[in-house]
Amino acid sequence: KAGVTQTPRYLIKTRGQQVTLSCSPISGHRSVSWYQQTPGQGLQFLFEYFSETQRNKGNFPGRFSGRQFSNSRSEMNVSTLELGDSALYLCASSLDGTRGETQYFGPGTRLLVL
Amino acid sequence: GDSVTQMEGPVTLSEEAFLTINCTYTATGYPSLFWYVQYPGEGLQLLLKATKADDKGSNKGFEATYRKETTSFHLEKGSVQVSDSAVYFCALSDPDGNQGGKLIFGQGTELSVKP
Repeated sequence: KAGVTQTPRYLIKTRGQQVTLSCSPISGHRSVSWYQQTPGQGLQFLFEYFSETQRNKGNFPGRFSGRQFSNSRSEMNVSTLELGDSALYLCASSLDGTRGETQYFGPGTRLLVL
Repeated sequence: GDSVTQMEGPVTLSEEAFLTINCTYTATGYPSLFWYVQYPGEGLQLLLKATKADDKGSNKGFEATYRKETTSFHLEKGSVQVSDSAVYFCALSDPDGNQGGKLIFGQGTELSVKP
């Protein structure tokens, strides 16, 4: 079974631009979560989607948004990029995101904002 | 709010040494607990997990026991190898079951094993 895939793997953008990252979950998984990883803040939860609905949201500004499609693929969008948005963005999928269920992570998209 | 605290790294050990990485948590309910490992340039891989008190998770020689009385989930391995060099993250899933697929992570502990 194929794992979680994320595209692109690397991105370079400039301040003020916007960016869209994509995540394809493991086949059959309906829950997709997004995390931001930085050296200073560590791993922080962005949001989770389940059956095309945002079920949970972390403490990030409205510039960070996402969506999920009927095939469970998910995208996240960051508008008006800031230097501090430079990070590794990780996507994780699970069957339905219930407590105790294993989340499987993709390799991440590394975003550099100049 | 819920939180996870790990021992600070980096931890440097010689091959075949005993490893302990401490992890304690704060939660209002009964979370599930996880250890994930991240190798350079990669995403996170689940190492082991425990879903209720006194459960022991184990995988690839690593073990951790869910201790509710001490709110701890320490990671141990009897004999580390150079290939174990990575960053290890302790995490909990929302204990109330209302937060779905949300993991709260510790800050990570970098392990370096020397031959």
